[in-house]
This record gives sequence, C-alpha cells and structure tokens, in this order.
Amino acid sequence: QQPVQSPQAVILREGEDAVINCSSSKALYSVHWYRQKHGEAPVFLMILLKGGEQKGHEKISASFNEKKQQSSLYLTASQLSYSGTYFCGTEIPDSGAGSYQLTFGKGTKLSVIP
Amino acid sequence: EAQVTQNPRYLITVTGKKLTVTCSQNMNHEYMSWYRQDPGLGLRQIYYSMNVEVTDKGDVPEGYKVSRKEKRNFPLILESPSPNQTSLYFCASGEQAGYEQYFGPGTRLTVT
Repeated sequence: QQPVQSPQAVILREGEDAVINCSSSKALYSVHWYRQKHGEAPVFLMILLKGGEQKGHEKISASFNEKKQQSSLYLTASQLSYSGTYFCGTEIPDSGAGSYQLTFGKGTKLSVIP
Repeated sequence: EAQVTQNPRYLITVTGKKLTVTCSQNMNHEYMSWYRQDPGLGLRQIYYSMNVEVTDKGDVPEGYKVSRKEKRNFPLILESPSPNQTSLYFCASGEQAGYEQYFGPGTRLTVT
C-alpha cells in the first residue's frame, strides 16, 4: 500500500526550513528517501531502519517513528539545489517469502526560490 | 564508471507490438527493479529481483514480464503494449534488497 506524503508541494525561499512527512497504514521495516530533479532519475538520500537513529545528510536529516509508522524529512536552511521532488519509499517485510518490496509515495514537490 | 544503463531512452510504438526495454548494471548488484512513473502517481514498482534465482511482482505487474538470466541484466518485456502503458520507466539496482538503489536514466515509452 502506497505511503502518504504531505505536503504535496511546498515553496520556500532560500534559507528557510521545511519538513516533509511520510506515513504508512502498515508497520514498517524501513523508510527510504530519494530526491528527483526535473528531467533526471531519482537519487538516494538516506535509509532509516526500524530501531535505528535519526540520519543526516548535509543539512538534510530524517527521523523514523516506528510506533506512528511515520517518517519525516527535515531540510534546514534550504538552498536552490534542494529543489526537486522528494519521494519516500517504505519497506514492508513479506511474510514467508523472504522478499521485500519497496513502495514509494506520490512525492512532494519542493521549490526553493531566491 | 558505475552505472545503470537503459535502452532505448525514448520509444514510440503501436498497440500490440511486442517490445523489450533493456537494463544493465556494472556494479555486481544482486537486487534489480523496474518502476513506472506517471504524473501524480509517483514511482510504482512493476517487478523486482532479489537475485538471479528470485523474481517477484511489485505493485503493478499486469501487462509486463521480466527476465533475470544473469546478474547484470534485467530486461522489461511488454508482450502486447497498450496505451495505458505509456509512461516513464526506470530500472534500478542495489547491492542487496533494502539497500540504496541506483536508478537508470529512464525510458520514455509512448504507445499509440
């Protein structure tokens, strides 16, 4: 089942902060975050594992609340280069098969303006 | 250079004409996957392969087939394409399932 991302879109001025949320109706094994710039392929940002700590990547960090089945991506002091669409992907263990499926949300479009 | 390659990058075809989109990675990755991306729907997984032995359906497998005969290649086959398969397709690979995925440049397919 596709995770729900919010907001769908956000516009920021350079230097402002933003939070993107990702929530699932199912218990999660991990949450993956990717960023896709216009006309390009998605690029990996970070993975948060169940029981793991908050991760960071430059001024982008994320948290994973297992009880609420939610993850949040924090963008601090945004730069023009942060513009793009952010996708969360959730991993739910498939019982019995030992296979894992990654399901992405619909994305959050972030625009950073001067 | 470590990369995932897809061919062709652009394809316009007609309904019912079988086609194959190739995907190859040079990183010795076990895990490979196909996604389609449509406006407002995000990335949806079509098929994935844990390794050369295990391949399984994703969220939207109808109308697609895949093959993983060797580790580096994971072609996507549309036996009888239909207009609702018009989309942007991405192949991705990862060292293992659950690890960082590296995406190919994408294949834009139009079925008329």
